[in-house]
Amino acid sequence: AQSVSQHNHHVILSEAASLELGCNYSYGGTVNLFWYVQYPGQHLQLLLKYFSGDPLVKGIKGFEAEFIKSKFSFNLRKPSVQWSDTAEYFCAVILGSGGSYIPTFGRGTSLIVHP
Amino acid sequence: ETGVTQSPTHLIKTRGQQVTLRCSSQSGHNTVSWYQQALGQGPQFIFQYYREEENGRGNFPPRFSGLQFPNYSSELNVNALELDDSALYLCASSSETIQETQYFGPGTRLLVL
Repeated sequence: AQSVSQHNHHVILSEAASLELGCNYSYGGTVNLFWYVQYPGQHLQLLLKYFSGDPLVKGIKGFEAEFIKSKFSFNLRKPSVQWSDTAEYFCAVILGSGGSYIPTFGRGTSLIVHP
Repeated sequence: ETGVTQSPTHLIKTRGQQVTLRCSSQSGHNTVSWYQQALGQGPQFIFQYYREEENGRGNFPPRFSGLQFPNYSSELNVNALELDDSALYLCASSSETIQETQYFGPGTRLLVL
């Protein structure tokens, strides 16, 4: 069965610091990859997604993620975080063709950005 | 806001009871998925409905069942509630298959005593 690991459960940064949140998955075939964010008091929403093509994906609010197939990773990055980036971040994987199309989420990373 | 609404927002039940949660999809979306999110965990996929038929199921027992109506709104029913069913239940709608962008509702928080 596929699994998704988010190694950092809690991250605390100061404004303007750089961010990298790790995401690793366990499946050797084609995958579709997602990062979702949940701001305090708001709905879960999509930050960015990767289906195919350029492995460096740009999302909303200055976030980007890089798919490294050899490392089974899809890490989320932002060069300079803001206080408004304080939120819960979830990585998710859906198997591609031949898979079960059942999405698997990581347990999430709580990010706190100090002003 | 996503246009996906869920009701009720909070619910308290006792062990053994049955519960029905409701979800109204975003306009134009014909696919709805349900998730269970326990405290401190990521959402776990329960099942998906596409054009009123179940289109995929996660690792949940048969006492978790669902319906999708012709207007694409949906229900999640849980029978014989257990304490471990206490969680936030999320509904997400999308326009086609599950690979497309999902729009999540605010969730229903269920507490089983």
